[in-house]
Amino acid sequence: AQKITQTQPGMFVQEKEAVTLDCTYDTSDPSYGLFWYKQPSSGEMIFLIYQGSYDQQNATEGRYSLNFQKARKSANLVISASQLGDSAMYFCAGSGSARQLTFGSGTQLTVLP
Amino acid sequence: GAGVSQTPSNKVTEKGKYVELRCDPISGHTALYWYRQSLGQGPEFLIYFQGTGAADDSGLPNDRFFAVRPEGSVSTLKIQRTERGDSAVYLCASSLGQGRTDTQYFGPGTRLTVL
Repeated sequence: AQKITQTQPGMFVQEKEAVTLDCTYDTSDPSYGLFWYKQPSSGEMIFLIYQGSYDQQNATEGRYSLNFQKARKSANLVISASQLGDSAMYFCAGSGSARQLTFGSGTQLTVLP
Repeated sequence: GAGVSQTPSNKVTEKGKYVELRCDPISGHTALYWYRQSLGQGPEFLIYFQGTGAADDSGLPNDRFFAVRPEGSVSTLKIQRTERGDSAVYLCASSLGQGRTDTQYFGPGTRLTVL
């Protein structure tokens, strides 16, 4: 079983600045994946980025990067050059021997103009 | 290409009634998942299909909930004798089904309200 913890219920960032959203995980699976999803107020869950437990390098997708620290069991999302459209709820999720995703409680990000 | 679609987008029903929620996955995706998201929380797993069979239904809360995927594509989540506590957004996701770390792509969800 996996446990995903997001300790920041809400975060604020100034437009064009970078922001880090925290995620820690706990699993006994030797092989697992970590995901970040964005959920705007419209409700749709949008896939952002994926990191595999055996990946040697941190994942990057455009303005999104995942700061993966295996020893600390953390998988923080970094958003560079924040835009107003980045305002949304962000969920960290993990999968392992059980293929379904286990989600954290989410972080509400607000980008200020 | 087309993403995951779900119908209806909204469903209002009365306590005790039966409801069906439909999910149409991305073409070619063999794995299909149902999740439930209550207000202010992350989605919670309900059931996972690989092809036509339910590979894991450990998240179904009780025997009032049932899901089928008879032809390995469209899936229907069925809730009998609905209760007010069933009110939530029901999300469907699909993936290629090639491994435990497949990326899951979500539909827009069905918002169920039980009065």
